[in-house]
Formats: sequence, structure tokens, C-alpha cells
Amino acid sequence: GESVGLHLPTLSVQEGDNSIINCAYSNSASDYFIWYKQESGKGPQFIIDIRSNMDKRQGQRVTVLLNKTVKHLSLQIAATQPGDSAVYFCAGIGSARQLTFGSGTQLTVLP
Amino acid sequence: NAGVMQNPRHLVRRRGQEARLRCSPMKGHSHVYWYRQLPEEGLKFMVYLQKENIIDESGMPKERFSAEFPKEGPSILRIQQVVRGDSAAYFCASSENPGPYSYEQYFGPGTRLTVT
Repeated sequence: GESVGLHLPTLSVQEGDNSIINCAYSNSASDYFIWYKQESGKGPQFIIDIRSNMDKRQGQRVTVLLNKTVKHLSLQIAATQPGDSAVYFCAGIGSARQLTFGSGTQLTVLP
Repeated sequence: NAGVMQNPRHLVRRRGQEARLRCSPMKGHSHVYWYRQLPEEGLKFMVYLQKENIIDESGMPKERFSAEFPKEGPSILRIQQVVRGDSAAYFCASSENPGPYSYEQYFGPGTRLTVT
């Protein structure tokens, strides 16, 4: 079945540095991935998505990389700001056409 | 344009009582999804509904849980005879067109259910 997970439950970075959050998935049939940001007490907020026929997609200060060979994707946040502190989830869609979420990485931005 | 609305935001129930969670999708959205989030975990899909139809309920527990999305009014997630293990945050999301590559679901703020 579908499985999506994250490498590290917590990540601390200095303000201004770049952040890299990683995610692995087990189902090679997954053809669409989304990164969500969840702040304390709020619902997940869409950040960026990527289709399986792409290796890279860029947004404003964020980049998602997809490596289908090793079933790995990452979210890179440039010039991390205090407002970026949150839990980040990757989610994938496979044959069941459901969103399957990983367990999340808590990003803490240090002053 | 109001986002997805959920109420109540916090709900406390004693074991054996019923919990009713409400979700109003974004204006123009006719597809609703319910997810459950346990502490320190990611969201787990429960059910996907369109107006008056349950499309996919493969993530719903077989007993005590039910969901509806009537022609008029909000979507309701109902939990009967709640147990402590039902304590979680329940999120609703809505979308306009859930095609193969149109999975931009907009999430509500969630209802935090505590069973005492």
C-alpha cells in the first residue's frame, strides 16, 4: 500500500539559512505529491505540489525536488524566516486517489 | 471569500456520548474530505463526499462513525458512543474539481475533540 514518511521529526535552522525537509515514499505508483505547512492550532496550508513527470518545481522561496529512483522528495526553503516555523507534511496520491500524509517535521527557526 | 469553516473548534464529550462535527466548504466547492489527526502524527484520510453522496469512505472506522453532506447545509461527521481513543483533531477540506491533478484541497481550522 501507500506509505509516505519523513526522515526527521524536528529540524532547527538559523534565521536566514536555507532549510531542507525530506520525505520518502514507498509506492512507486504515486504520481502526485504536495507539501503542506501546518501552524499550531490551524489546518494544513498548501505550499507547493509536483507531478511525477517532473524533477523540480519552484515557488516563491520554496523548491520541491523529486527523485523517483530512490522515491524521495524534499522541500527547500530559502532564507528561512521566523514565520516559517511550523510542521511540514508531505502528502502523496497513489492508485487509491487519496491523499496520504507523512508524519511531519517540526521546523524551528532560531533567531 | 470565506475559507473552509468548521465548528465547534473545541468539543469535549464524556465516554458514550455523541459528537457532531460540522464543516462548511468554501463557496463554490462541492467536494468535502474529512481527516483525523492524532497527536504527533500526520493526517489520516477518513471519507470523501460530494453533495448527497459518499464517494469514498475507506478510511472510516466501520462502527460508530458516519458522515453526510446534504444538499443544503454543512457536512457532518458524527461519532456515536465516543471512546477515549476518538480524541483527536478532525480536519475538513474542500475542493472544487478533484481531478487527477487537481488535488488542491483547502483545509479548515479543525475541531479538537477531547473525550473524558
